[in-house]
Order: sequence, then C-alpha cells, then structure tokens
Amino acid sequence: DAGVTQSPTHLIKTRGQHVTLRCSPISGHKSVSWYQQVLGQGPQFIFQYYEKEERGRGNFPDRFSARQFPNYSSELNVNALLLGDSALYLCASSLDWGRTEAFFGQGTRLTVV
Amino acid sequence: AQSVTQLDSQVPVFEEAPVELRCNYSSSVSVYLFWYVQYPNQGLQLLLKYLSGSTLVKGINGFEAEFNKSQTSFHLRKPSVHISDTAEYFCAVSVSFGNEKLTFGTGTRLTIIP
Repeated sequence: DAGVTQSPTHLIKTRGQHVTLRCSPISGHKSVSWYQQVLGQGPQFIFQYYEKEERGRGNFPDRFSARQFPNYSSELNVNALLLGDSALYLCASSLDWGRTEAFFGQGTRLTVV
Repeated sequence: AQSVTQLDSQVPVFEEAPVELRCNYSSSVSVYLFWYVQYPNQGLQLLLKYLSGSTLVKGINGFEAEFNKSQTSFHLRKPSVHISDTAEYFCAVSVSFGNEKLTFGTGTRLTIIP
C-alpha cells in the first residue's frame, strides 16, 4: 500500500506569492495533520482535519489555511509568503480520531526567495 | 501548554556502544509520549509510544524508552547501536488522544562512529 504522499517534493517561490501544498493520506485514513519543520527545529503543528472538518489549529497566522476533500486528501495554502515560511512541510495521516498512530509523508521542501 | 526539551542537540556514539537520548516534558495534565526518527530527506517514522500501562516501552529497531512521571522524562535507549541508526530523533508529547497536535522537541542528531 502507498504511504502518505505529498506534492510537490520541492518548490521555490518568491516573497509575496501564494503556494498550495497537497497531501494524499494512506487509503482508509480519515485524519490529516500538517506540520512545519524549520531547519534545525522540530516540527510545529499547523492544522488537523478529521472527516473534512478542522479539529485543531496551531499558532500560525491567518495566511495559513487548509482544507480536506471528500476523498480525505488535503491542501495547505499559504498566502503572502515570507522568507520565514521556508521550511519542510509535513503531512501526517491517521486511521481515525484518537489513539491511533500518525504516519508522516516525506514532506514538501518550500524555499522562499 | 505543554513543552518538550531535548537537551542534547548532537550525540556521537561508537558503533555497538549503548546510547541514551534524553527527553523531558512539561505539562499540567496527563500526557502521551512518542519518539520519532527522521532519516535524511525523509519524513518521520514512529519508533515507540507511551499511552498508558507499563512505563517501559519497547519499539522498533531495538529501541526502548522509560516513562518517569516524577522526573517528567521519557529517555530513549538502545543497548548496541549500528551505523544505520544515524538519524535525527524527535521526542513528542500529546495531551489529548494518541496523535492529535503533537508537540515536538528540537531533536537530537545521533551520529554513529565506526
């Protein structure tokens, strides 16, 4: 079975632009979470979606938004990119709500120049 | 709010020697604890987790960790390391169910010396 897949794997954007990152969870998984990992730091929680509803939000500005589709895939959108948004963005999926393991994708490396 | 402290940013260890990676947490409520490993250019892989029950938890690749509530610690150990264990290791905590809103430490880079 395919694991969590994220696209694209790398991209470069200019300050002020908008970016959309995509995540396909493991088949059958209903929960998707997004994390930002700045170089040299641990991942920081951004959002969690379960059954297409937002169930958690981290301490990120409103420039960050996300959604989950009926097939449980998810998009993370970032507007008005700043240099500080350069990071590895990780998506994790889990089978259900509560006490189930989160499986991480390989991430999208975003560089803002 | 909860927090995780990994005091050692880098740990060099000779091959076949034992290793301990330290993790301390802070929380006003009960927690669930995790160790993840990140190999270069890859995502995170769960090594082990503590949800309840026995405080000694065994994980994959020969790793184990012990939950110590009085010392608010969850140190990761392996009796004999291999070159393939070279990676970044992250301790994480959750205060709700098993996986929502993980709070991670800053990571420990384990380097195995041949």
